[in-house]
Amino acid sequence: AQSVTQPDIHITVSEGASLELRCNYSYGATPYLFWYVQSPGQGLQLLLKYFSGDTLVQGIKGFEAEFKRSQSSFNLRKPSVHWSDAAEYFCAVARPLNRDDKIIFGKGTRLHILP
Amino acid sequence: EAQVTQNPRYLITVTGKKLTVTCSQNMNHEYMSWYRQDPGLGLRQIYYSMNVEVTDKGDVPEGYKVSRKEKRNFPLILESPSPNQTSLYFCASSPRGTDQPQHFGDGTRLSIL
Repeated sequence: AQSVTQPDIHITVSEGASLELRCNYSYGATPYLFWYVQSPGQGLQLLLKYFSGDTLVQGIKGFEAEFKRSQSSFNLRKPSVHWSDAAEYFCAVARPLNRDDKIIFGKGTRLHILP
Repeated sequence: EAQVTQNPRYLITVTGKKLTVTCSQNMNHEYMSWYRQDPGLGLRQIYYSMNVEVTDKGDVPEGYKVSRKEKRNFPLILESPSPNQTSLYFCASSPRGTDQPQHFGDGTRLSIL
């Protein structure tokens, strides 16, 4: 069973508009949660992470994400996107109470920016 | 500079010809892993290693081997490559394990004809 779902394969927003990318997970406890960004032809770069504590976490490049336990979600937001934000975004989950040390990635959301 | 280095970056080869993709990190990280990235499927973990001489299967280990003889190196071996292993491969490392962010290499694009 898939542990991480990113429902939107592609999202298009205008430059300057706000952005929200969705991520849902299935796990009985609080997982370790990550958002990564992949620019074309490059590896993945960490945007932010959540392990515990304050459910609103700040990341690099003006991104933030909110952990909502009741909805099993960890959505990524940015108040105003820039053309350079066009990339693919991946949500990832690690499950600390499982016996394995696997990391599960979502299938990704590709963000397109309209000028 | 802290980095994860993969070689080669690009490789075109033929079915059945053994190949190795090397991965090296200079951060003294204990956890290393390999992923493959395919369109529409995201990243899927192939193998991971918590430390020297400790390796475990990820979600898609079939057709791959790994070894961890030294902390810094984690090569991915395709003993008999097949066309369905054509993909973009990433190596990653983290200081201790899955509770820490992964540092990714720049990727290796493999084409198996």
